Amino acid sequence: EIVLTQSPGTLSLSPGERATLSCRASQSVSISYLAWYQQKPGQAPRLLIYGASSRATGIPDRFSGSGSGTDFTLTISRLEPEDFAVYYCQQYGSSPETFGQGTKVEIK
Amino acid sequence: QVQLQESGPGLVKPSQTLSLTCTVSGGSISSGGYYWSWIRQHPGKGLEWIGYINYSGSTYYNPSLKSRVTISIDTSKNQFSLKVSSVTAADTAVYYCAREKGVGATDYWGQGTLVTVSS
Repeated sequence: EIVLTQSPGTLSLSPGERATLSCRASQSVSISYLAWYQQKPGQAPRLLIYGASSRATGIPDRFSGSGSGTDFTLTISRLEPEDFAVYYCQQYGSSPETFGQGTKVEIK
Repeated sequence: QVQLQESGPGLVKPSQTLSLTCTVSGGSISSGGYYWSWIRQHPGKGLEWIGYINYSGSTYYNPSLKSRVTISIDTSKNQFSLKVSSVTAADTAVYYCAREKGVGATDYWGQGTLVTVSS
């Protein structure tokens, strides 16, 4: 099973700042099968990025994904008030599919 | 717009079987190229993939749960279902049904339903 480790656990930032979230895999992930999700309290996760760098439908361009192999990054260029949430990475190229433990982006 | 809705008991006794159904609207569950998934989230914790099924009935399960999990599909009702047998308190979680489209990842999710295992 591929273990995904996200860092940091919590990111304290102000609106307008840049957020950089990391996801490291225990073994290589096919570049086509790494996704990022946003989850707010009481809501289901929302797909942001698939295939490591492709934005899902309706996702603003301030969200971008990059990386390959075992190291992936989600960048939010300028934080909006609605971006404060928990973010999960997921690999879905190897069974079982696995998620990282999440990074909470909170208002500083 | 595809929508998914979970339904089933919110309380299950230990050692019994948890049963949930996901009703899909706005699209056919028989469409090829999709995997119909179950994912759970323990209270205050991260996400755990349980497994999925495709339109032809092929299933893939998380090995950690495989001995207790069954996912089935009913194309006539546009529904798919989850059964988890011999539940314990560790199975208490919010259960999500979702649609995965291969390289496109999991793009549609149900709202989730909390299932509590308690006597």
